[in-house]
Amino acid sequence: GAGVSQSPRYKVAKRGQDVALRCDPISGHVSLFWYQQALGQGPEFLTYFQNEAQLDKSGLPSDRFFAERPEGSVSTLKIQRTQQEDSAVYLCASSLDRPNTEAFFGQGTRLTVV
Amino acid sequence: GNSVTQMEGPVTLSEEAFLTINCTYTATGYPSLFWYVQYPGEGLQLLLKATKADDKGSNKGFEATYRKETTSFHLEKGSVQVSDSAVYFCALSLAGTSYGKLTFGQGTILTVHP
Repeated sequence: GAGVSQSPRYKVAKRGQDVALRCDPISGHVSLFWYQQALGQGPEFLTYFQNEAQLDKSGLPSDRFFAERPEGSVSTLKIQRTQQEDSAVYLCASSLDRPNTEAFFGQGTRLTVV
Repeated sequence: GNSVTQMEGPVTLSEEAFLTINCTYTATGYPSLFWYVQYPGEGLQLLLKATKADDKGSNKGFEATYRKETTSFHLEKGSVQVSDSAVYFCALSLAGTSYGKLTFGQGTILTVHP
């Protein structure tokens, strides 16, 4: 596609619900990244995929957060038993698999946990 | 660990004023440095980058110079426009890795009045 696409754009979840956030990267981009951006803060790295392999998940804040990319294209970030502190914008970015190449960001999914 | 510190905002300027947004960093090794911009309702966009000491990144009239001795990457523009109103993020990535794994500052909101 023309850019990184994320859906839904907005999600309201009741505390304790599970949510799934989708990212469609730019076609041909091997690398995919998830970030969490709290209100008024900069994005914080969550996890990184190269194709279907999750090479770095050091930023996932708890075991309630899980990401997958089973076919090396679309990725899903799942949050189980959501809590109010999970409220944030979740950003996805993709890039070619070469050092020093630019990552392109989607518009994000704004998650509000009530 | 790696970190990025930006000047506190928000910043409010009149059109054609000079802009400086300060950014300093702490990093192991030799990072690449970036400025990203987030216009209202849009995703993060790369504004400019510099990959080694004394490099100057520039784009759309914005400039920033990688200063290793002061660990800084301040953003400047000689004459801002109303259309420059956005949130600006300074960021770094470690050398040799994808530009997608980034450490961001907290962001600076810029508002330019006619």
